[in-house]
Amino acid sequence: AQRVTQPEKLLSVFKGAPVELKCNYSYSGSPELFWYVQYSRQRLQLLLRHISRESIKGFTADLNKGETSFHLKKPFAQEEDSAMYYCALSDSGGSNYKLTFGKGTLLTVNP
Amino acid sequence: DGGITQSPKYLFRKEGQNVTLSCEQNLNHDAMYWYRQDPGQGLRLIYYSQIVNDFQKGDIAEGYSVSREKKESFPLTVTSAQKNPTAFYLCASSWRGGYNEQFFGPGTRLTVL
Repeated sequence: AQRVTQPEKLLSVFKGAPVELKCNYSYSGSPELFWYVQYSRQRLQLLLRHISRESIKGFTADLNKGETSFHLKKPFAQEEDSAMYYCALSDSGGSNYKLTFGKGTLLTVNP
Repeated sequence: DGGITQSPKYLFRKEGQNVTLSCEQNLNHDAMYWYRQDPGQGLRLIYYSQIVNDFQKGDIAEGYSVSREKKESFPLTVTSAQKNPTAFYLCASSWRGGYNEQFFGPGTRLTVL
């Protein structure tokens, strides 16, 4: 079974401070990892995914297979980063398109 | 306006009634999904469909039913057998392949009175 754990329900930082949202996963196959974000009164949308190896809005995430983690990081948080963040996992190579989501972390960036 | 739409935005239902939530997409995606979002629970998969006329149960399918007669449409019926139906329901679609982005609708908030 696939499982995603986000240990922090709430995370509060000050503007300009570094931020790290933690994500750990459990999956026996070859995982593809994603971060989705939901800003206030907006749709849930993709922030970034491991396969793209890209930085979006200053956020990066590195897949650590040894620690089974995919933590989301940003060196200098901005107030507009305040949102709910979900880590998600799917099978990268098979025919299973299911996404398994973590329970989410609500990030608040204070001025 | 392209993308994925859900209707209605708010829905009220009396106990014992079935209700159907609409989900339509014009992105030509093969795969469609229904999730339930509860506070503190994240998103949980109800049903998904990878192709027309085929669908699979997700993690919490009991009390729900779906159909996929057209590529662009994936309605969800919340039946009276669903013990706790009050929730926010999200529909999504994607290209086939586990590495592909899912695009989400705006959601429907269902309240059972």
